[in-house]
Amino acid sequence: QLVLTQSPSASASLGASVKLTCTLSSGHSNYAIAWHQHQPEKGPRFLMKLNSDGSHSKGDGIPDRFSGSSSGAERYLTISTLQSEDEADFYCQTWGTGIVVFGGGTKLTVL
Amino acid sequence: EVQLVESGGGLVKPGGSLRLSCAASGFTFSNAWLTWVRQAPGKGLEWVGRIKSKPDGGTTDYATPVKGRFTISRDDSKNMCSLQMNSLRTEDTAMYYCTIGALIDGWGQGTLVTVSS
Repeated sequence: QLVLTQSPSASASLGASVKLTCTLSSGHSNYAIAWHQHQPEKGPRFLMKLNSDGSHSKGDGIPDRFSGSSSGAERYLTISTLQSEDEADFYCQTWGTGIVVFGGGTKLTVL
Repeated sequence: EVQLVESGGGLVKPGGSLRLSCAASGFTFSNAWLTWVRQAPGKGLEWVGRIKSKPDGGTTDYATPVKGRFTISRDDSKNMCSLQMNSLRTEDTAMYYCTIGALIDGWGQGTLVTVSS
């Protein structure tokens, strides 16, 4: 069964970096995912598509502070030089035959 | 610029019906897979259903909670996608988003559906 697992919460200080993790279920470690940001009172925003080899393609206007990487079944989103407006929920997402899957989301708090 | 604009949300009683629309522009609509996603109050993002492009078969898939009640359709001549929701339940209350792609790379701003007596 295709499942994406994310930690419910993360926090980091203003100006620091944070690495969020999305883990693919067993047998699906070669799947690409997409990362999305959902800021309060706004619609979600596509950040990037991330392949199993770590290559990624970002959405229009996504700052260089956002980057992606992969290791095995894990997909990472790294945000550097954190800003207050980065405080949001972050979701990973993938798809399979007849299904689209979201992770449970990680709530990022910028301290 | 890619744009997706949802409309049609509102307040409906349990058991009622509602039809959401998504007007798209800024990309080749006929080649796009379109996915509806919702977010219930205080919950995460949840997949609702998807329609493939006609070149890829034009077929639909639905999440288990909505299967048999919701229907997605598309009109490539108008760059429009619709979500017909029947037999609505209180648990269908959510913001509904129209999105592009199997790996989603574009979002609308959403339309709010409230199911309440």
